[in-house]
Amino acid sequence: DAGVIQSPRHEVTEMGQEVTLRCKPISGHDYLFWYRQTMMRGLELLIYFNNNVPIDDSGMPEDRFSAKMPNASFSTLKIQPSEPRDSAVYFCASSLDVGTGLRANSPLHFGNGTRLTVT
Amino acid sequence: AQKVTQAQTEISVVEKEDVTLDCVYETRDTTYYLFWYKQPPSGELVFLIRRNSFDEQNEISGRYSWNFQKSTSSFNFTITASQVVDSAVYFCALSGSARQLTFGSGTQLTVLP
Repeated sequence: DAGVIQSPRHEVTEMGQEVTLRCKPISGHDYLFWYRQTMMRGLELLIYFNNNVPIDDSGMPEDRFSAKMPNASFSTLKIQPSEPRDSAVYFCASSLDVGTGLRANSPLHFGNGTRLTVT
Repeated sequence: AQKVTQAQTEISVVEKEDVTLDCVYETRDTTYYLFWYKQPPSGELVFLIRRNSFDEQNEISGRYSWNFQKSTSSFNFTITASQVVDSAVYFCALSGSARQLTFGSGTQLTVLP
């Protein structure tokens, strides 16, 4: 399997510009997560989807952030307008959960991340 | 609310030494899952192990071993005979009824040659 694919790997943009991060989960996985990693706050969950439906977006910092999952194989995280404090590494992850027991809460498989720098 | 505490911010050892990374967690869920991830300098997050709350049996995988103790809410990770390639940030994480992973702040392990 190709794993979780994120693009771009690096993004440098100026304050005020729109930024779109992309993610392709592992085929067949029904959960998709967006995490952000910074030195100050560590790894924090922004939002997650189950079967393309947003389940918990309480971690989205503010209205400038939005995420979509139009189908099972694609998700985007958009920041508009971007600010310097949005600079971070953004990770996408996916997992497959079926029922309970051994298949429940299965590990998240992470992409390589997108390093965003807003100047 | 869930919480994962990794009190050791940085650990430095000399190659071939054993090292234990501590993890303490808090949750109100009766069924939950604990994880360890490794983040090498290249930046990706690599899954190492998952344990569920009803299986306290310790696990060994090569030089890696994990000690899960519900009584102390701890899930510690030991690397035996450490190697330079083990240098990385190690994260402990927890998930329960809420599906998402809550991560600890990570422990930076440096193994010196």
